Amino acid sequence: ETGVTQTPRHLVMGMTNKKSLKCEQHLGHNAMYWYKQSAKKPLELMFVYNFKEQTENNSVPSRFSPECPNSSHLFLHLHTLQPEDSALYLCASSQDREDRGNSPLHFGNGTRLTVT
Amino acid sequence: AQSVAQPEDQVNVAEGNPLTVKCTYSVSGNPYLFWYVQYPNRGLQFLLKYITGDNLVKGSYGFEAEFNKSQTSFHLKKPSALVSDSALYFCAVRDIGGSSNTGKLIFGQGTTLQVKP
Repeated sequence: ETGVTQTPRHLVMGMTNKKSLKCEQHLGHNAMYWYKQSAKKPLELMFVYNFKEQTENNSVPSRFSPECPNSSHLFLHLHTLQPEDSALYLCASSQDREDRGNSPLHFGNGTRLTVT
Repeated sequence: AQSVAQPEDQVNVAEGNPLTVKCTYSVSGNPYLFWYVQYPNRGLQFLLKYITGDNLVKGSYGFEAEFNKSQTSFHLKKPSALVSDSALYFCAVRDIGGSSNTGKLIFGQGTTLQVKP
């Protein structure tokens, strides 16, 4: 149990589908993140929320749409994705804001997304 | 701009031997340095961090890392490797007080550690 739960673990979707990834943290943290992990590439930070407010959008295409209704939940809404969007999507949380402090990130186990 | 490099894609070690996974960094201010481990089909797990103080930092599962400011390195070490240590290891750096001053956490590309029995 990592304290950060992601659902679903696996998702296969067509390019015209709409789906959502869900993340929930049980750690009382103040910041939440979406990362994309592709083979042979560094982790790519996608979005950051501090106290429910989005503070970072790392030039992510609009076909990815984040939502943070409260400090414990984070969603990533997906629509009209491309095959190159297939990757492991990781959610993380931290006690401190992303640009302050020294608290480590706590990651969920990820959603393995395949776009067909 | 800050950056972090893990020069080895893969490190192979025999069980019981010492292991080292290398990491070098570049920041304009002071670095906060982290190591994470990722087992198959899992997310990243925090291993240890250097913020200030003693250059030798001890972390989970018997791992330690040494901060070397002159060489801008933060290599991960373990005196005696286990087969169960086989995983993907990530070094990460946050630039504190530098010219960019974004404080963003930057990850290396990862090093696969293979420990053979």
